[in-house]
Amino acid sequence: KQEVTQIPAALSVPEGENLVLNCSFTDSAIYNLQWFRQDPGKGLTSLLLIQSSQREQTSGRLNASLDKSSGRSTLYIAASQPGDSATYLCAVREETSGSRLTFGEGTQLTVNP
Amino acid sequence: GAGVSQSPRYKVAKRGQDVALRCDPISGHVSLFWYQQALGQGPEFLTYFQNEAQLDKSGLPSDRFFAERPEGSVSTLKIQRTQQEDSAVYLCASSVIAGGPLGSGELFFGEGSRLTVL
Repeated sequence: KQEVTQIPAALSVPEGENLVLNCSFTDSAIYNLQWFRQDPGKGLTSLLLIQSSQREQTSGRLNASLDKSSGRSTLYIAASQPGDSATYLCAVREETSGSRLTFGEGTQLTVNP
Repeated sequence: GAGVSQSPRYKVAKRGQDVALRCDPISGHVSLFWYQQALGQGPEFLTYFQNEAQLDKSGLPSDRFFAERPEGSVSTLKIQRTQQEDSAVYLCASSVIAGGPLGSGELFFGEGSRLTVL
């Protein structure tokens, strides 16, 4: 059974710092990996989607990398801002489980002004 | 519509009541998913539709949970005889196609329906 782990569970940083969120998964047979952001009481907003054949994706201050063989992904946030405060979730779509996503428990990020 | 719309946003039910949660996906999206998110946890898969066909319902926790999408657009998640452990946020997501080797399968989520069972 696929298991997705996110470290750290919570992170508090001062504004302006560059930071890295980690995601690991136990079964490397995946189609893709997706990073989401969730604000309190809200749904999930898709940030970046990395196909299994890709190594990284970038959007603005966000960069996500994927090392499929080792079962790891990182989300890099440059020059963090208070508006980046949210919970960040990673999820994988497996080759053998059809279309379902398996999520990690998230990293709760607080960026202090 | 512009995004995935869910209603009601908040629902309080007495234990034993039946509830129905509605999802209106992005227009033209073929695939629709339901997820359950407990407080402080990541979402857990419940069920998946491609058009009107329910292709995977392996995540439904019991036979009290039932989902349908009769015309391949709007979907309803019904929970019968609600229990306290059913309290969670129920998230709906849609995508253009399911994904797999031929497509990105990027999911777009609604804001969820928060169910509290007393």
